[in-house]
Amino acid sequence: SQQGEEDPQALSIQEGENATMNCSYKTSINNLQWYRQNSGRGLVHLILIRSNEREKHSGRLRVTLDTSKKSSSLLITASRAADTASYFCATDAGSARQLTFGSGTQLTVLP
Amino acid sequence: DTGVSQDPRHKITKRGQNVTFRCDPISEHNRLYWYRQTLGQGPEFLTYFQNEAQLEKSRLLSDRFSAERPKGSFSTLEIQRTEQGDSAMYLCASSPVRTGAGYTFGSGTRLTVV
Repeated sequence: SQQGEEDPQALSIQEGENATMNCSYKTSINNLQWYRQNSGRGLVHLILIRSNEREKHSGRLRVTLDTSKKSSSLLITASRAADTASYFCATDAGSARQLTFGSGTQLTVLP
Repeated sequence: DTGVSQDPRHKITKRGQNVTFRCDPISEHNRLYWYRQTLGQGPEFLTYFQNEAQLEKSRLLSDRFSAERPKGSFSTLEIQRTEQGDSAMYLCASSPVRTGAGYTFGSGTRLTVV
């Protein structure tokens, strides 16, 4: 079952614009992670934010986490055509550390 | 060691046949995971190993599915008597034991059951 739900399901922007994707989840978590997947490929880990953190940056990526609202957002600044991919949030909620993924946001960056 | 390797990349099989997939994780990663992903969906957890011990299995893993990780190194996922509903991308991932580390995924094996 999917714990996280991403919003929007699809997003199309022009190169240079910022892209914001949101994720909501249902249970308490240890951390939340964002992954990128190019078509037909495996997932690439982008960034991890722990439950006691509120914001984290990595290059052009900015992630926020609001545990009271059980939501997270991923901001990609100054987008590039190469950022075109599906983006998934994943929650780590248990001792087994299995991740539960959302259904993803398909981002298209137009040149 | 350049990452997680999965073999084969693609597999087409007839309904009722058995298939086996292999995953070679990053050598220093103790944990290994199998996920299944269908078109337009996020990956769904199947099973998880710490070293050679299979510690958790999803309800998605019917008795037709079996996974092994002998000696805590590579892993195999076997599907017996394949059904059309088994058609999906099967993803393997590995991670170290320490908390705060993300997963490293392989490129996946795409299974098509005809």
